[in-house]
Amino acid sequence: SQQGEEDPQALSIQEGENATMNCSYKTSINNLQWYRQNSGRGLVHLILIRSNEREKHSGRLRVTLDTSKKSSSLLITASRAADTASYFCATASLTGANNLFFGTGTRLTVIP
Amino acid sequence: NAGVTQTPKFRVLKTGQSMTLLCAQDMNHEYMYWYRQDPGMGLRLIHYSVGEGTTAKGEVPDGYNVSRLKKQNFLLGLESAAPSQTSVYFCASSYSKGLQETQYFGPGTRLLVL
Repeated sequence: SQQGEEDPQALSIQEGENATMNCSYKTSINNLQWYRQNSGRGLVHLILIRSNEREKHSGRLRVTLDTSKKSSSLLITASRAADTASYFCATASLTGANNLFFGTGTRLTVIP
Repeated sequence: NAGVTQTPKFRVLKTGQSMTLLCAQDMNHEYMYWYRQDPGMGLRLIHYSVGEGTTAKGEVPDGYNVSRLKKQNFLLGLESAAPSQTSVYFCASSYSKGLQETQYFGPGTRLLVL
């Protein structure tokens, strides 16, 4: 499977702390994306990082990509209770099917 | 703009019944997708469309059919529902840059097949 795998499966932190989630994948990619899903809702795109990029920022989000290790990390700084959600990485493969492959997600709980 | 909308929000079917899930987008996107989400398995692509009148199979197409008669609509059909099709179904769309670009998701349809 080309599916990414997030680690950890669940993460619980106090408000104000930083949250780090990791994603590993198996095939060469065109880009990697992170999405957030609030309970009972659809996925919302957070950030896209291309294979020739190593780091990208968006507000309190910082994403890194290491194509040699086939891994990515999502850092949320100064977390808020509203950040409580599931976070998914999605990879766009260079070869094979031209669609995104989603991981199984990390469930983040931010305690006020 | 409403973005991506899905109807219905929730449905209960008996085994063997049929139904159609409707997805609509008002962003003039070329590409549209249907996914299913099951616990512990992430999202899996069922079918997708790269434009009006075209459809293609995704990762798990068996038991489903789709149609894209209008650019803004993408329909997912279950001809004979099975309990294994109990899931949450998400529709998504993206700009015409390609299948690998940012996708915009609908709120989902929760389907229970008894």
